[in-house]
Amino acid sequence: QVQLVESGGGVVQPGRSLRLSCAASGFPFGSHGMHWVRQAPGKGLEWVAVIWYDGSNENYADSVKGRFTISRDNSENTLFLQMNSLRAEDTAVYYCARDLAVTEDGLDVWGQGTTVTVSS
Amino acid sequence: DIVMTQTPLSLSVTPGQPASISCKSSQSLLHSDGKTYLFWYLQKSGQPPHLLIYEVFNRFSGVPDRFSGSGSGTDFTLKISRVEAEDVGLYYCMQSIQFPFTFGPGTKVDIK
Repeated sequence: QVQLVESGGGVVQPGRSLRLSCAASGFPFGSHGMHWVRQAPGKGLEWVAVIWYDGSNENYADSVKGRFTISRDNSENTLFLQMNSLRAEDTAVYYCARDLAVTEDGLDVWGQGTTVTVSS
Repeated sequence: DIVMTQTPLSLSVTPGQPASISCKSSQSLLHSDGKTYLFWYLQKSGQPPHLLIYEVFNRFSGVPDRFSGSGSGTDFTLKISRVEAEDVGLYYCMQSIQFPFTFGPGTKVDIK
């Protein structure tokens, strides 16, 4: 079955970096755009970033632009989110999600999420 | 950014009764390709969201047919024909016609 498993979350000090991973299985990973979405404690959903099926295009929320980088390794069926210059407001559960399309259409399957806490 | 609003924000429903959630966008979600990029998700307590409806009215794989979506342009509705206990949770609409994708604030549905 289609599965997305995030990892790499943890507690990190403000200004430091963290790299999240999302291991995909059960579908042709290289045929789908992929997203990161986050949810701060007790809050709603915030879209973070998208990358096209072949890695040729990316797009970011303004809140993370210039600090976060989305990437993918289709040979390893893995999605990444490099998070630099972390701030307290980046504290959230981070979900990876598959797109319906090769580029961007909408999110269909979501992972269970990994928690990032930015605190001194 | 496109602003998504939902009403009501909270809904208490008797099992077996219908429920309806409205979602409005600040701009039309109709694309020149003919598709309308409006999605509905349900997030149960302690779980990630899961897709119910895509592109306004298409039920995702495995979604019961008591869930239906309708609407056009900027006004959309999610209907549950007969609410069951397992339908409790937060319902979100999302637009994906334009970056950044944006979500509504969520509608909390519980059982009376």
